[in-house]
Amino acid sequence: DSGVTQTPKHLITATGQRVTLRCSPRSGDLSVYWYQQSLDQGLQFLIQYYNGEERAKGNILERFSAQQFPDLHSELNLSSLELGDSALYFCASSLRAGRNTEAFFGQGTRLTVV
Amino acid sequence: QQQVKQSPQSLIVQKGGISIINCAYENTAFDYFPWYQQFPGKGPALLIAIRPDVSEKKEGRFTISFNKSAKQFSLHIMDSQPGDSATYFCAASRDGGSTLGRLYFGRGTQLTVWP
Repeated sequence: DSGVTQTPKHLITATGQRVTLRCSPRSGDLSVYWYQQSLDQGLQFLIQYYNGEERAKGNILERFSAQQFPDLHSELNLSSLELGDSALYFCASSLRAGRNTEAFFGQGTRLTVV
Repeated sequence: QQQVKQSPQSLIVQKGGISIINCAYENTAFDYFPWYQQFPGKGPALLIAIRPDVSEKKEGRFTISFNKSAKQFSLHIMDSQPGDSATYFCAASRDGGSTLGRLYFGRGTQLTVWP
């Protein structure tokens, strides 16, 4: 158990809908990362937050947004969903941003868009 | 553009054999090179990591070899066991800049160890 909790584990929704994925980082970790894993793109970095502030953005679509709350949990919001958004979404956390800090991954949320 | 290239895509090894997975990178600013292991239905878990100031790091049956001049690093699994069957990802990240701590992953290698 990595200590990173993601909910829900599975999500099935229709095209055009909006969903929210939730991540609770390890106790004490300030940095949260979101990654998307798909068969054709592999593990792709989406966005990073550190202590409530956005720190880095990857190839995140404009339909996607995220935030980190004062209690350090994070949410990834996916809207106007398309079939191609079906993937595993992972959250990872680390003690602090940068400086070769080990990232611990949650078990992921499997999103299926039908 | 794939910043970390990984090969092979799949690997089949007999129990007790050596599994070797290779990765290459282009960005010389990378200064942290971890390997992650992922079992079906689970998230990636850190296996072993190396920094470019050393050429080799060993932890149990797992060894990373690092060649800074060639911009390549590899994972060696000695005495491979059926329980090692999983997908392995190499990754790289760099300190500083606008991507603090962000990991660039290879595409993964699916390892199968036959008993």
